[in-house]
Amino acid sequence: DQQVKQNSPSLSVQEGRISILNCDYTNSMFDYFLWYKKYPAEGPTFLISISSIKDKNEDGRFTVFLNKSAKHLSLHIVPSQPGDSAVYFCAASAGGSGGSNYKLTFGKGTLLTVNP
Amino acid sequence: GAVVSQHPSRVICKSGTSVKIECRSLDFQATTMFWYRQFPKQSLMLMATSNEGSKATYEQGVEKDKFLINHASLTLSTLTVTSAHPEDSSFYICSARDPGYNSPLHFGNGTRLTVT
Repeated sequence: DQQVKQNSPSLSVQEGRISILNCDYTNSMFDYFLWYKKYPAEGPTFLISISSIKDKNEDGRFTVFLNKSAKHLSLHIVPSQPGDSAVYFCAASAGGSGGSNYKLTFGKGTLLTVNP
Repeated sequence: GAVVSQHPSRVICKSGTSVKIECRSLDFQATTMFWYRQFPKQSLMLMATSNEGSKATYEQGVEKDKFLINHASLTLSTLTVTSAHPEDSSFYICSARDPGYNSPLHFGNGTRLTVT
């Protein structure tokens, strides 16, 4: 049973517009959420995270929104750039952002293509 | 920032041989490292948690005798795929976390293993 779901395998957006990537989770014990970006044949790169005590976290062009009641989070990229084209993984942890229990559960990823 | 180095990036081996993959934290000491495996178009699946100076903790369904993990120092963990078979062909990624609070997990660039 997948505890972290990214239901859109791909998303195509025009340069300069907003990209919205969605993620749903089922485990109510998850309290820390992260987004990673991955290029082919490379490891994931950390983008942004959010703790369950917040509903929004912003870092430059990237904003993550968390809706705990809906068990849903989203990553907004604005404005989107061609260099943002990559696979984006949503990940969740039940161990918070600190401590030794830091196992991440990943979604299957969404391939974002930003067209010039 | 924190950097995790993984070597080799690509390896091809024959069935029955063993392959060792190294994961190093370059600018921080990692008491815990994590080994993931990714199949095409799938999410990253945690295989095991590598603990410095003690035995690794394996996830359910992962054969500990097949995937040997050694974490002999605070900056190095190794994964040895023993008696490799074609079904072991996959993308293996290690990760480590700077022990500072609120620090995300950083990933190596992965190792593409092909068993012929």
